[in-house]
Amino acid sequence: GEDVEQSLFLSVREGDSSVINCTYTDSSSTYLYWYKQEPGAGLQLLTYIFSNMDMKQDQRLTVLLNKKDKHLSLRIADTQTGDSAIYFCAETSNQAGTALIFGKGTTLSVSS
Amino acid sequence: KAGVTQTPRYLIKTRGQQVTLSCSPISGHRSVSWYQQTPGQGLQFLFEYFSETQRNKGNFPGRFSGRQFSNSRSEMNVSTLELGDSALYLCASSGRDRGSADTQYFGPGTRLTVL
Repeated sequence: GEDVEQSLFLSVREGDSSVINCTYTDSSSTYLYWYKQEPGAGLQLLTYIFSNMDMKQDQRLTVLLNKKDKHLSLRIADTQTGDSAIYFCAETSNQAGTALIFGKGTTLSVSS
Repeated sequence: KAGVTQTPRYLIKTRGQQVTLSCSPISGHRSVSWYQQTPGQGLQFLFEYFSETQRNKGNFPGRFSGRQFSNSRSEMNVSTLELGDSALYLCASSGRDRGSADTQYFGPGTRLTVL
């Protein structure tokens, strides 16, 4: 079956790096995504990675994928207070078709 | 390009009523998906429409329905509202991007409160 798990909270200081982790169970996952949600807002796409890739870098964001362990991580370099939000990991798979399967979200709190 | 728009942003209804939510996708996108977000269940997929046809469906009762028009705009309807239907309803549109992923871009959501 499909399941995506994330730790619920992460607290960091401004200027530090943040690492948000995610595990998934569907071995047929095709794409894996990271979305950001600020209070009262919808989901903002941050980045995505194809399942045959190991790493993707996009400015301050680095995504690492360990397909063997079904582990995905998002690293935010030089974390700012504006990065405080809920971060969702999501996957699409051959089994789920076009549906995004989301984790419960990790709340990132950045203190100055 | 304008993003995904959803109307209304907020709704208050009472149990037993029905409600219709609207979503306008990003120009050129032909796929529209709907998701329900609640504190308890998180984000759950409702259904997806592509070229006016339902292409995928989540595990929700038949009270939840949707449709898509020829201009790709989509509506979802919830009949006989229950207290548990209180949620943020998110719409996402997608189209092929340079990475060949059908990346889904979300609107701001409609906050539905059922009293």
